[in-house]
Amino acid sequence: ETGVTQTPRHLVMGMTNKKSLKCEQHLGHNAMYWYKQSAKKPLELMFVYSLEERVENNSVPSRFSPECPNSSHLFLHLHTLQPEDSALYLCASSQDARGYNEQFFGPGTRLTVL
Amino acid sequence: AQKITQTQPGMFVQEKEAVTLDCTYDTSDQSYGLFWYKQPSSGEMIFLIYQGSYDEQNATEGRYSLNFQKARKSANLVISASQLGDSAMYFCAMREGAGGSNYKLTFGKGTLLTVNP
Repeated sequence: ETGVTQTPRHLVMGMTNKKSLKCEQHLGHNAMYWYKQSAKKPLELMFVYSLEERVENNSVPSRFSPECPNSSHLFLHLHTLQPEDSALYLCASSQDARGYNEQFFGPGTRLTVL
Repeated sequence: AQKITQTQPGMFVQEKEAVTLDCTYDTSDQSYGLFWYKQPSSGEMIFLIYQGSYDEQNATEGRYSLNFQKARKSANLVISASQLGDSAMYFCAMREGAGGSNYKLTFGKGTLLTVNP
């Protein structure tokens, strides 16, 4: 595996379900990110982890819970979501959290909440 | 006010021709960086090119170049010799400020480029 991988690629869940999105980076990076991409809206930063420590929580509802057990893995735990949470969730990583390092993105998880 | 403005929701270009995708930005910081990403229909965002606010020369990466006009606060992406595989959404993004916590990228709404054979 190379780059940034995300699983699953597609997820359909009910509002009462609990599910998790997984992201893994094989680049030796120290910073990882979760973004949300909704239709016709700009990409929104959700969470940032630097060296496994959360450094940004961009006013995200508590029904989204991130976890970063090590610098290569990032999870997004989902529970009691709303239909408006349906979107493409993108994970990214960068060498570190300094802004001049480009972020490398995974293919995303297309989430549909029924 | 929007920090990143991409005024072209959609653009069409003939294969092998050049195309310019517009991006204007709004910041009061002296230190900032501008990025362009490509997003094919598969979903992943692919980094294309980066321009720092203190870079004196326009950035180039293969067929991609960034036309950086600092006074006008514009950072247009130029794709030369378009290929069918260039059909995708293109996003302009900016990070502001210097120091250790300037990781946040602000993205524009994107431009959908279609390359016609």
